[in-house]
Amino acid sequence: GAVVSQHPSRVICKSGTSVKIECRSLDFQATTMFWYRQFPKQSLMLMATSNEGSKATYEQGVEKDKFLINHASLTLSTLTVTSAHPEDSSFYICSAGTTAYNEQFFGPGTRLTVL
Amino acid sequence: GQQVMQIPQYQHVQEGEDFTTYCNSSTTLSNIQWYKQRPGGHPVFLIQLVKSGEVKKQKRLTFQFGEAKKNSSLHITATQTTDVGTYFCAKGAQKLVFGQGTRLTINP
Repeated sequence: GAVVSQHPSRVICKSGTSVKIECRSLDFQATTMFWYRQFPKQSLMLMATSNEGSKATYEQGVEKDKFLINHASLTLSTLTVTSAHPEDSSFYICSAGTTAYNEQFFGPGTRLTVL
Repeated sequence: GQQVMQIPQYQHVQEGEDFTTYCNSSTTLSNIQWYKQRPGGHPVFLIQLVKSGEVKKQKRLTFQFGEAKKNSSLHITATQTTDVGTYFCAKGAQKLVFGQGTRLTINP
């Protein structure tokens, strides 16, 4: 199967700072990647669809100015949580797929803690 | 709305007992996928079901897709401690909508 990496795996930051999370497809090109958020003991909620070379598509209720997504190349998408607050503390996971597989491949996730 | 309802939310079993989780949709699904997430980990794809009434098996796991393509189930026979985790169903192909998940814990 395909491999998706995420960096960092864990980050702790102070309230008001911005945090950038990288999602990379290691052995395939992904024109589309997806960003999910998962609060403890809850399901994954899709935040946005990251489109290579164009603007991201955000789900209803997700602030696009707060969660900045950049898909600069076919193997890299970044999610920046701007002016993070404690309520943004969560597990952020990206996914990508290829036409060769039916499934989505998930990155290992980034656990964000905002103090 | 667009939700996929999944039950139960939690299930605790003795090792060796069977386990089943169910997913239901108010609308007809083109396909359904199942994922497993170990504690602290990320979702890992298990299977995709596409055909009405489809049944697929992976060792001790049996996946079913209802005739009306509105419900699906995952059944694990004779659970083992390695089965611990949260099992999610999801609809969609790339852009996934996940069910609430069923967290399985096992008493060895």
